[in-house]
Amino acid sequence: GQQVMQIPQYQHVQEGEDFTTYCNSSTTLSNIQWYKQRPGGHPVFLIQLVKSGEVKKQKRLTFQFGEAKKNSSLHITATQTTDVGTYFCAGEKTSYDKVIFGPGTSLSVIP
Amino acid sequence: EPEVTQTPSHQVTQMGQEVILRCVPISNHLYFYWYRQILGQKVEFLVSFYNNEISEKSEIFDDQFSVERPDGSNFTLKIRSTKLEDSAMYFCASSLTGGSFYGYTFGSGTRLTVV
Repeated sequence: GQQVMQIPQYQHVQEGEDFTTYCNSSTTLSNIQWYKQRPGGHPVFLIQLVKSGEVKKQKRLTFQFGEAKKNSSLHITATQTTDVGTYFCAGEKTSYDKVIFGPGTSLSVIP
Repeated sequence: EPEVTQTPSHQVTQMGQEVILRCVPISNHLYFYWYRQILGQKVEFLVSFYNNEISEKSEIFDDQFSVERPDGSNFTLKIRSTKLEDSAMYFCASSLTGGSFYGYTFGSGTRLTVV
C-alpha cells in the first residue's frame, strides 16, 4: 500500500538555526499537505502543494513539492521557540482519496 | 474560525465495553474522517464518510468499529468491544471538498484509555 516516509524523526536546533524535514512517498501523489501538531494538540493544516515543482512560502516556512510529485520538504528559517512541535506531511494518491500521514518530524528548539 | 468539536476529551473504559466518540464537524463540510494516534506515533487513517456512507476504510477499521451520522450534525465512532490496543487519541476531521483543497480541519481529539 501507499507509504509516506519522513526524515529525520527528531531534530533539536538552537533558536535561530534553520530546520528542514523531508518527506517521501512510495507512489506519485496528487497533492501533499503539511500539518503541525503542537505537544498535546491536534494536527493543524499548514498548506497544500499540488503542482510538480511547486514552492510556497509562509513567512519563515518554505514548502517544496518535487518534480516527480513523490517528495516534499519543509524548511524553516531562523527557528523560534513557537516552532516547537511535530511536522507531518500527508499525501493523497488521487484528488478524492484519503490523506495518508507520514510519521512526522518532531522539532525541539533550544532557547 | 469554525471548529470541529469532539466529546468527550478523555474517556476511560474497561476492556470489552462499548464506547461512542462524538464529533460535530464544521457545518458546511461534506467529508468526514476518523484518524487515530497512538501516543507518540503517527496519525493513522481509520475511515472516511461522505453522503451518509463510508467511502473508504483502513484495515484497522474492522468489524468492531462503526460510524454514523445520526442527525445531520453529529458524526460518531463506535467501538463495540474495546481492547487494550484501542487506547489512543482519536481525531475527527472534516473537509469542505473530497480533494481537501483547503486541508482537513481536525478536532482536539478524544483520548481513549482502555483498562
